[in-house]
Amino acid sequence: ETGVTQTPRHLVMGMTNKKSLKCEQHLGHNAMYWYKQSAKKPLELMFVYNFKEQTENNSVPSRFSPECPNSSHLFLHLHTLQPEDSALYLCASSQGQGNSPLHFGNGTRLTVT
Amino acid sequence: QKEVEQDPGPLSVPEGAIVSLNCTYSNSAFQYFMWYRQYSRKGPELLMYTYSSGNKEDGRFTAQVDKSSKYISLFIRDSQPSDSATYLCAMRKRGSTLGRLYFGRGTQLTVWP
Repeated sequence: ETGVTQTPRHLVMGMTNKKSLKCEQHLGHNAMYWYKQSAKKPLELMFVYNFKEQTENNSVPSRFSPECPNSSHLFLHLHTLQPEDSALYLCASSQGQGNSPLHFGNGTRLTVT
Repeated sequence: QKEVEQDPGPLSVPEGAIVSLNCTYSNSAFQYFMWYRQYSRKGPELLMYTYSSGNKEDGRFTAQVDKSSKYISLFIRDSQPSDSATYLCAMRKRGSTLGRLYFGRGTQLTVWP
C-alpha cells in the first residue's frame, strides 16, 4: 500500500454536483500537492501546500477548491465541474526541501457527465 | 514549444531487449531530472533521480543526462514483462518552488514475453 492514500478511487458526478476528493499521507512529509493527469497530456500542477499553507495556485478555476487542515490531509472540493475536467487527479507529498522527490497516491479517476 | 518533449509511443519490445526512452527540453534552467514509472491504474513512482550530466545506474536501469544537448535518456537492460508501464520524465528548475516539476507526456512501454 502506498504511503499516500487517495479516496475515492473512482468518482462519477454530474455538472451540478458537489463532491470532495481526499488524500492522506503517512510519510511524515510537510508538503502536499494536487496534480491533474489528462489523457495524452503532461501532468499539470494545480496546488501546493507547505505546512498547511497554500504556496501555489497554478491558475486553477475556482470550481476546484483545495483544503489542507494539517500536513497529513489534503482535500479537493469540486462543484459545477465541466466534462473537460474529467481526468485522473493525483495527490503527492514531499519532505518539503526543494529537491525532495514527490511520492504520489494512486489517484482518483473523475468522470464528469 | 512545450518545455519538455517526450515521444508518447507506444513502444513494444520483446523480453530481453534493451529499451531506450528519451526526453528533450528547451530551458537550460532545468537542473534536476527524474524518471517516474506509472503502472496502469496506479500513481507514478520515482525510478531514478539525477542532477548532473553523465550516467547513473541502478540495477537494470541507467539514467543519462546530457545538459549540453538538453537531452535525457532512460535505458532498461534485459527488459521484462513487468517493466510494461508508462515512463514519465520530469524536471525541476534551479531554485524552483516546491513541487514545480515539469513532466513529459509519458512513453507507454509494452514488453512481451
